[in-house]
Amino acid sequence: EVQLVESGGGLVNSGGSLRLSCAASGFSFNTYWMHWVRQAPGKGLVWVSRINTDGSTTTYADAVKGRFTISRDDGKNTVYLQMNSLRAEDTAVYYCARVLGGGTCYAYWGQGTLVTVSS
Amino acid sequence: QSVLTQPPSVSAAPGQRVTISCSGSSSNIGNNFVSWYKQLPGTAPKLLIYDNNKRPSGIPDRFSGSKSGTSATLGITGLQAGDEADYYCGTWDTSLSAGVFGGGTKLTVL
Repeated sequence: EVQLVESGGGLVNSGGSLRLSCAASGFSFNTYWMHWVRQAPGKGLVWVSRINTDGSTTTYADAVKGRFTISRDDGKNTVYLQMNSLRAEDTAVYYCARVLGGGTCYAYWGQGTLVTVSS
Repeated sequence: QSVLTQPPSVSAAPGQRVTISCSGSSSNIGNNFVSWYKQLPGTAPKLLIYDNNKRPSGIPDRFSGSKSGTSATLGITGLQAGDEADYYCGTWDTSLSAGVFGGGTKLTVL
C-alpha cells in the first residue's frame, strides 16, 4: 500500500525557516517524480514544487522560487521541502504527492502538515 | 486568481447528474492531460480522473471526464450525499513550467 507521511510543520515567525519531510513507503520511491502542493486555510490547491527521480531536476512556483528548496533522499525514501524567508502568505497545509506514472496527475497524497507563519 | 477557471459552486438533487467545467488555455489544458480531484473537509484530495477521461481503480463509473480544446468537464451521475465535496481540476502549464489547479467547485447535493 502506498503511504506518504508528512512531518515538520508548525508555527514559525515571519522570516524564519522550516524543513518539511515526506516519508514514502509501499512503492519504488526512486522511480517516481514527487511534488509538493499547498492549501491555505479555506482556499484552493496550489502547486509548489516538483523533483525528478534522481534529484537532478527541480521546478518551483514563482511564489516560492529562491526561498524554497526541494530535495530527496532515495536511501531514506523521503522528499524534503526546505522553506526559508517564510511569509504570512506561506501559511497553508502542505501536501506531498506522488504522480501516477510519468505525468503530473497526483495519484497519492499525504495527510498534509500545517505550516503557520506568524507576522 | 487561479490559472484554471471553475464555477465556485454547483448543486443538484440526489440521483441527478451534474457537470463541473474547467477552462484554461493552450499552454495548459489545450496541450496537457487534465486530472480531477475530490476533497472532503479536513482531508487530502483524492484522484478521480486522470489523462482527461480515465478512472483509477476503485472510482465508480458514475464519474466521467472529457476535454475539448482548452476546456475540460467532470460529470457525475446518480448523485449521492457522499458526493458533496470540493472538486478541483489540474494540469501542467507548459508556459509557466508549473502545475496549475482550478479554484475549486463546491458541490452541494440538495
